[in-house]
Amino acid sequence: SQQGEEDPQALSIQEGENATMNCSYKTSINNLQWYRQNSGRGLVHLILIRSNEREKHSGRLRVTLDTSKKSSSLLITASRAADTASYFCATAGPYNQGGKLIFGQGTELSVKP
Amino acid sequence: NAGVMQNPRHLVRRRGQEARLRCSPMKGHSHVYWYRQLPEEGLKFMVYLQKENIIDESGMPKERFSAEFPKEGPSILRIQQVVRGDSAAYFCASSPRLLGTGELFFGEGSRLTVL
Repeated sequence: SQQGEEDPQALSIQEGENATMNCSYKTSINNLQWYRQNSGRGLVHLILIRSNEREKHSGRLRVTLDTSKKSSSLLITASRAADTASYFCATAGPYNQGGKLIFGQGTELSVKP
Repeated sequence: NAGVMQNPRHLVRRRGQEARLRCSPMKGHSHVYWYRQLPEEGLKFMVYLQKENIIDESGMPKERFSAEFPKEGPSILRIQQVVRGDSAAYFCASSPRLLGTGELFFGEGSRLTVL
């Protein structure tokens, strides 16, 4: 079954507002990553947080990781219309469990100007 | 440095035909991954390859699907005798090292439509 489950499935906000997306997973991880996908395009890596980290920042992005709850959140501050896209979390398991990333179902974010 | 190149970007096949999707990883990357994305869904892992080796094919359907990454040339995902349910976007990604240590770099995808 899919490792990552995200919520909400869809989120609509106004420009300037913050957007928060959540991701839950089931098994132990080495790291958790967030990707963005614009309509009809490939995925672009946004940020990676390792299992021994609790919070990470990159520009307007803030990611948290709670390994006790097996959950992560992605916060986009001061959103822009150009942030409109689907956002996916993906988990990488321990090395001895192979090398693949498992993706969640994604959150579709719409930022209205 | 060119990114991950996939071709064709769009492919139309009739039921029963074969589809071949090609992927050239980023320069210096020796790890290739194939994922499938159905409309309005996330990416489903299919197969992980290194040069001349299939490392993990746990996501590949048992029949009709195969993948290779030869010593020379692109990685190929081959779907024989396509059915309508194979219609999807197929994404290739590459990395320079064993996953678990960094990010994946994705191509723009190949969109297969089966009539």
